[in-house]
Amino acid sequence: EPEVTQTPSHQVTQMGQEVILRCVPISNHLYFYWYRQILGQKVEFLVSFYNNEISEKSEIFDDQFSVERPDGSNFTLKIRSTKLEDSAMYFCASSGYGASRETQYFGPGTRLLVL
Amino acid sequence: GENVEQHPSTLSVQEGDSAVIKCTYSDSASNYFPWYKQELGKRPQLIIDIRSNVGEKKDQRIAVTLNKTAKHFSLHITETQPEDSAVYFCAASIWGSARQLTFGSGTQLTVLP
Repeated sequence: EPEVTQTPSHQVTQMGQEVILRCVPISNHLYFYWYRQILGQKVEFLVSFYNNEISEKSEIFDDQFSVERPDGSNFTLKIRSTKLEDSAMYFCASSGYGASRETQYFGPGTRLLVL
Repeated sequence: GENVEQHPSTLSVQEGDSAVIKCTYSDSASNYFPWYKQELGKRPQLIIDIRSNVGEKKDQRIAVTLNKTAKHFSLHITETQPEDSAVYFCAASIWGSARQLTFGSGTQLTVLP
């Protein structure tokens, strides 16, 4: 069964550095999402992406965040200048089309630690 | 925006007993309600979902019920097994528009052997 994949699984960075988190959505999916989960808390929506543009974004997704689909398979989340409070698990998700487009499948996550 | 409340935050049951987790939502426009199971350090995995045009859905030992009038929905797990131990998250969204999921705060279910 196809799955969403993410790299790296763990990333440690210094405050103020840029990080890029990578995701490969399920191949025939059209909608892509980023969520984050601070340790022990609920999963929070960051941004959704369709047809090469942002569909929705939350208040968390401020100017330091950006998303891109640089080719036909990858979907990336960039954090320009990381802060301590960006430490979290970041999940990518994707969903298909038609009647199943609301069913979101999650990747294994990237655990980001900002020091 | 949507707000989803979930309770209890922790639930311990004996193996073989049933477990019930409840969620309420605030936005009457929400019409899609998935449930995810998350084992420690793993991805959230969809276990069942329901749309607002039905009141109940079952899949083997798992069922979800929805009360649109009261804006609440519940997950029922029967004949619990130790492998059911995990954090369960409810979520709400608007079906048909591939929009964001708003998650509840999670329930840590422990099934005691």
